[in-house]
Amino acid sequence: SQQGEEDPQALSIQEGENATMNCSYKTSINNLQWYRQNSGRGLVHLILIRSNEREKHSGRLRVTLDTSKKSSSLLITASRAADTASYFCAPGESEKLVFGKGTKLTVNP
Amino acid sequence: DAGVIQSPRHEVTEMGQEVTLRCKPISGHNSLFWYRQTMMRGLELLIYFNNNVPIDDSGMPEDRFSAKMPNASFSTLKIQPSEPRDSAVYFCASSPSWGFQPQHFGDGTRLSIL
Repeated sequence: SQQGEEDPQALSIQEGENATMNCSYKTSINNLQWYRQNSGRGLVHLILIRSNEREKHSGRLRVTLDTSKKSSSLLITASRAADTASYFCAPGESEKLVFGKGTKLTVNP
Repeated sequence: DAGVIQSPRHEVTEMGQEVTLRCKPISGHNSLFWYRQTMMRGLELLIYFNNNVPIDDSGMPEDRFSAKMPNASFSTLKIQPSEPRDSAVYFCASSPSWGFQPQHFGDGTRLSIL
């Protein structure tokens, strides 16, 4: 199983702005998942995008997947202070997920 | 429905002691995962089970670590003897079926070995 690499490592924005995080991986995948981790809590699954999908939406979240570039992005629109968290991508080749170091997002009120 | 339940939430003990972490997965979930998270190493997968059978324990750091899943509703991760470098947050996660399903995490056990 491979690890995704999130970029940037840290991102600080103002409430109401959009936040974009990127994920790169190395080999072909079946799907890619994004998770959020609030301080002191476990990871929460946000969205799963399959390799034959290019874009997926869930509320204020928009995920894109470019298998030719082996990359994905997570866009959070109209961010809120409650979106402050670390965000992880997990390229899915099998049941076993390998998480990177994540992107630490801070949304300032 | 209740989520993944881990106990204890916090554990502080002295090195050399045995530590047992417990996990109750979501009812009906067939796969169970144990992770460890530290600042230095991030989130590491230690072991995972499917239908109570260990599938991959390649992430278990040493023989001091062992994990069991005696039934579908309970798993333990044991460290014996514990060492200060085992200090970390340990997470348990479960997923509903084999392959490519979102994982549901518990809130972890924060372990401190003095």
